[in-house]
Amino acid sequence: GAGVSQSPSNKVTEKGKDVELRCDPISGHTALYWYRQSLGQGLEFLIYFQGNSAPDKSGLPSDRFSAERTGGSVSTLTIQRTQQEDSAVYLCASSSRDRPYEQYFGPGTRLTVT
Amino acid sequence: RKEVEQDPGPFNVPEGATVAFNCTYSNSASQSFFWYRQDCRKEPKLLMSVYSSGNEDGRFTAQLNRASQYISLLIRDSKLSDSATYLCVVNPWDSNSGYALNFGKGTSLLVTP
Repeated sequence: GAGVSQSPSNKVTEKGKDVELRCDPISGHTALYWYRQSLGQGLEFLIYFQGNSAPDKSGLPSDRFSAERTGGSVSTLTIQRTQQEDSAVYLCASSSRDRPYEQYFGPGTRLTVT
Repeated sequence: RKEVEQDPGPFNVPEGATVAFNCTYSNSASQSFFWYRQDCRKEPKLLMSVYSSGNEDGRFTAQLNRASQYISLLIRDSKLSDSATYLCVVNPWDSNSGYALNFGKGTSLLVTP
């Protein structure tokens, strides 16, 4: 079956522009996670959705970051007024209700802010 | 202090060698433990779960010591295709972050002919 998909796969943007990253989880997966991986760093958890609800947004790096999920499916991560330190690979993962601890990752969006 | 610590390596080993990776974690409330594999410029992929009783999947053996908060991965008869970064992952649960994964920075393995 189809895995987690993300778009775009690569995004180059100028400092100060807004970007929107999209994640399509595996069909039927109720939980969705966003992570980011900066060069030479480990994966950093950003936000978690159970259904359409994100209980805690404090993991987002700054108030320029926002995320939403609609219909219990697609999620978007929006970064406003991008900065160079936002350059990273943004990864989305989803998991099922039956096996909530096993997450399947999408291929990521590689964001470069120039 | 980072919650999950791993030796970054790199580990350079010849084909056929046995190699072991270790990992320690700080959150005693962690409930689930995994090894993920990440190839260069690819997403992480689940390699195996880790259980207290120890578990084996072909050439791979994982062990968990909850008392010492220590996880290991043993790869026997290493293949060129095993070259990758191996990520130690722990998985505490809380209502705000669900089962968000805490990743180590990874251990790099290069298997040479």
